Amino acid sequence: NAGVTQTPKFQVLKTGQSMTLQCAQDMNHEYMSWYRQDPGMGLRLIHYSVGAGITDQGEVPNGYNVSRSTTEDFPLRLLSAAPSQTSVYFCASRDRGSYNSPLHFGNGTRLTVT
Amino acid sequence: GESVGLHLPTLSVQEGDNSIINCAYSNSASDYFIWYKQESGKGPQFIIDIRSNMDKRQGQRVTVLLNKTVKHLSLQIAATQPGDSAVYFCAEIRTNRDDKIIFGKGTRLHILP
Repeated sequence: NAGVTQTPKFQVLKTGQSMTLQCAQDMNHEYMSWYRQDPGMGLRLIHYSVGAGITDQGEVPNGYNVSRSTTEDFPLRLLSAAPSQTSVYFCASRDRGSYNSPLHFGNGTRLTVT
Repeated sequence: GESVGLHLPTLSVQEGDNSIINCAYSNSASDYFIWYKQESGKGPQFIIDIRSNMDKRQGQRVTVLLNKTVKHLSLQIAATQPGDSAVYFCAEIRTNRDDKIIFGKGTRLHILP
């Protein structure tokens, strides 16, 4: 059981480039989300989704797009990378149908924008 | 714990002592709370959770206390070990509203030998 899988693990971009961070989960979780974590900081919610076809903004959505065409996948797109988007990105999923169901996290993608 | 700029608050505890990590949550409508542990270079890992209809829940060496009156959550770790060194985050969820999950700013636990 792979859980939440994020790719790539590391990425370096130049300012203005675009890329997609991939996230897949094999637990049939309805809820998926993206967080960014800056050095010495907590986790800030970028976007989240409560099911296929549904997405919503979190605390820091600007500069990022998401889509949820399947239950398993929740890619995060950076349309025009900026140095301020240098961060570690975590994808997480959760079973909304369970009474007590914590978030399960991937191992993160470390992104550097030069 | 509240962060100060880029510096996480740090709690230093002697090995073998008990640790208490505090968290103030923001929304009185939140009904589910979770503590996570994050070791260097890894993603957050689930430790323990609690629903708003409870005020205490115990796990193995960990206890979570919830005070809804003052919107405060604490994590108690008994007999702290070197492997407990990490950053600890609390998270609040409004499961009956929008499922938006917001994390506190975190506390670094440092174990003294």
